[in-house]
Amino acid sequence: DTAVSQTPKYLVTQMGNDKSIKCEQNLGHDTMYWYKQDSKKFLKIMFSYNNKELIINETVPNRFSPKSPDKAHLNLHINSLELGDSAVYFCASSQEFGLAGGNTGELFFGEGSRLTVL
Amino acid sequence: AQSVSQHNHHVILSEAASLELGCNYSYGGTVNLFWYVQYPGQHLQLLLKYFSGDPLVKGIKGFEAEFIKSKFSFNLRKPSVQWSDTAEYFCAFEAGRRALTFGSGTRLQVQP
Repeated sequence: DTAVSQTPKYLVTQMGNDKSIKCEQNLGHDTMYWYKQDSKKFLKIMFSYNNKELIINETVPNRFSPKSPDKAHLNLHINSLELGDSAVYFCASSQEFGLAGGNTGELFFGEGSRLTVL
Repeated sequence: AQSVSQHNHHVILSEAASLELGCNYSYGGTVNLFWYVQYPGQHLQLLLKYFSGDPLVKGIKGFEAEFIKSKFSFNLRKPSVQWSDTAEYFCAFEAGRRALTFGSGTRLQVQP
């Protein structure tokens, strides 16, 4: 059973298009994240949701819009795609957010979605 | 700004060689430290973590890491690598109820 699953794994699209990446976790976790891995391999946090509530929104263009219909799902919608959006996008989940709530801090990752914008 | 530096981008070793991957973080307060590993074709998974206590922590598959507070470092070590250790290794830290901050990763290639 895949704990954190993302679809699609590969996405090739033209500039200006709108696309979505979906993420689902079956671990019963409260918190989900989107990370972007750029060409230099840095994993940068984009968004985090805790129980469907947005708690982290880093400096990300507003063309990126996360949506969490329930705490098991966190989707990422990208409008007007640009060349610079090409990257691998990782979804992750954790038991809770932050350590005060007893969270071990461990993130469980999906396999990543490689987006290529032409 | 919070950041993590991994000094080695690509390391090539022969089997049975010893491994040490450097990791330095930039943050003035209390941190929790992690090493994640991504084997070819697989997702990122936790290798080991440090929260408090003994600064030498042991993880899976014979890996260990030492937290040296004065040096802001959390280097990963393994006395004898195997071909199956070929992977990408990411250092990360968590502080101030923020999401994990990751380094750029070190690609380890172990030659049989």
